[in-house]
Amino acid sequence: GAVVSQHPSWVICKSGTSVKIECRSLDFQATTMFWYRQFPKQSLMLMATSNEGSKATYEQGVEKDKFLINHASLTLSTLTVTSAHPEDSSFYICSASLRTRDSYEQYFGPGTRLTVT
Amino acid sequence: AQSVTQLGSHVSVSEGALVLLRCNYSSSVPPYLFWYVQYPNQGLQLLLKYTSAATLVKGINGFEAEFKKSETSFHLTKPSAHMSDAAEYFCAVTGGYQKVTFGIGTKLQVIP
Repeated sequence: GAVVSQHPSWVICKSGTSVKIECRSLDFQATTMFWYRQFPKQSLMLMATSNEGSKATYEQGVEKDKFLINHASLTLSTLTVTSAHPEDSSFYICSASLRTRDSYEQYFGPGTRLTVT
Repeated sequence: AQSVTQLGSHVSVSEGALVLLRCNYSSSVPPYLFWYVQYPNQGLQLLLKYTSAATLVKGINGFEAEFKKSETSFHLTKPSAHMSDAAEYFCAVTGGYQKVTFGIGTKLQVIP
């Protein structure tokens, strides 16, 4: 159980275009999802917290107008990279939060490799 | 505030040898601690977690970790390394809320 999917798994786009990445919790409902960015050989950097039915909370330094997050349902959050540039090329990973008996546990998607040419 | 320090960005062990990946944490509240594993171009998989129950936590694939409050540590161990253990390992901490802070990761290399 507790499976999270991401689509697409990889995408190549031209500079200036927009790309949408989907994150789905397949067998549980998640009121909160998280979006991370991971540069090569580095750790995960939290970009934003996506809350179902409300605006996302962005981390300091993350441009909310560039990285649009929508969490329209309890099983789907989307990240749209608008007007993508080569420096936006990265590995984007989402996670969905599941409350357990004594804590929250995050389940991660497989990631999306974005390459902007 | 919370943070995680992973000592050693690269660790090499021989197949069959002990695996020890170090993690120290800082948290202003009682922490929940996690170890995740990441294979190339994949997401993160939870290995084990500490949530204030037993201090010695057993996880998947033969890994375990011990929470030591006095040392603010949560080191990951496995008695005998297998080639399939080669991956990136991340230690993470949360204060019981949903937001998780990750360490920089330790790349484990297993030498045949």
